Amino acid sequence: AQTVTQSQPEMSVQEAETVTLSCTYDTSESNYYLFWYKQPPSRQMILVIRQEAYKQQNATENRFSVNFQKAAKSFSLKISDSQLGDTAMYFCAFMRDGGATNKLIFGTGTLLAVQP
Amino acid sequence: DVKVTQSSRYLVKRTGEKVFLECVQDMDHENMFWYRQDPGLGLRLIYFSYDVKMKEKGDIPEGYSVSREKKERFSLILESASTNQTSMYLCASKAPGAAGYNEQFFGPGTRLTVL
Repeated sequence: AQTVTQSQPEMSVQEAETVTLSCTYDTSESNYYLFWYKQPPSRQMILVIRQEAYKQQNATENRFSVNFQKAAKSFSLKISDSQLGDTAMYFCAFMRDGGATNKLIFGTGTLLAVQP
Repeated sequence: DVKVTQSSRYLVKRTGEKVFLECVQDMDHENMFWYRQDPGLGLRLIYFSYDVKMKEKGDIPEGYSVSREKKERFSLILESASTNQTSMYLCASKAPGAAGYNEQFFGPGTRLTVL
């Protein structure tokens, strides 16, 4: 069974600085997808960034980028130039490739606070 | 934009009551999911549905059932609510297979308290 581990329950960063959130996973699959989802306080969960395991190039979305290390089964999220609106719970998630439903397996989350 | 709505943001029920949580999506997605979110545990899958009237158990189905009579609507049912079902419930929908780059779209959540 696949598992996702986020070892940092809470983190804090100053506005405009860079922060990295850690995520490791365990799987015997070779094809899969990894995601970072963001859940702002009292707001809906939204997708931040995704990575296909077969792609060696790390995904980037504006100020958000990932460091995907397939052999180490590591998938960290880097947020550059942190903004107050980045304050949220961040979840790392794994999805096995193939099948009609593609269930997500979530980590326990990292609560990020961006300080002014 | 995909929109996933849930019938209530906050709900308070008594032990033993039958509880219905409703979820509606407007993007014609085949796949719909119900998760439970608890502090320190992340999101855990309760049930999912890959088509109308089709459903499968997730990781924690005990005490829950679901109904999907129409494609856009997926209901979670607590047959006899218990205090350990006090939690945040999130609904999500997704296009089938790798369509839509496998993104799941979430509703705003229902915070259920069982007294």
